[in-house]
Amino acid sequence: KQEVTQIPAALSVPEGENLVLNCSFTDSAIYNLQWFRQDPGKGLTSLLLIQSSQREQTSGRLNASLDKSSGRSTLYIAASQPGDSATYLCASLMNRDDKIIFGKGTRLHILP
Amino acid sequence: KAGVTQTPRYLIKTRGQQVTLSCSPISGHRSVSWYQQTPGQGLQFLFEYFSETQRNKGNFPGRFSGRQFSNSRSEMNVSTLELGDSALYLCASSLGQGPREPQHFGDGTRLSIL
Repeated sequence: KQEVTQIPAALSVPEGENLVLNCSFTDSAIYNLQWFRQDPGKGLTSLLLIQSSQREQTSGRLNASLDKSSGRSTLYIAASQPGDSATYLCASLMNRDDKIIFGKGTRLHILP
Repeated sequence: KAGVTQTPRYLIKTRGQQVTLSCSPISGHRSVSWYQQTPGQGLQFLFEYFSETQRNKGNFPGRFSGRQFSNSRSEMNVSTLELGDSALYLCASSLGQGPREPQHFGDGTRLSIL
């Protein structure tokens, strides 16, 4: 059974710093891995999606990497801004049953 | 283009009651998926409907059910409510069969059970 873990659960960093959010998973038979952002009281917004055959994806200040062999993905945020404050979730889509498994998220707070 | 709309936004019920939540997908989207989010369990997949048929189902008891109409709007029903059903319920729509297709989420229905 797939388990997706995100550590730390919460993180506070000063504005302007580069930071890395971590996601680990136990079953490498994934179709893709996705990073989402969730603002308080809101739904999820997809940030980056990495297909199982890819190693990384980039969008603006965001870069996500995927290493299936080690069961890890990272989300790199460059030059953080207060507007980046949110909860970030990673999710793996499994090949065998087309079910998406979410981590519990990292709550990020960027200090002005 | 309007996004995914969930109604109501907030709901308070008591144990034993039943509840129906509604989700209107983005125009043209044929797939609707439902998720439950709680502080303890995180975000968990409930079920997916595509073209009025349940395509996939998560590990939830039979008290949780859903349906999809010909206009792709979907409803989720929970019967015999329990305290543990208090959660944020999110729906997501996609053009084709999700979740391999990009999913667009609504802002959810916050259900509180007293």
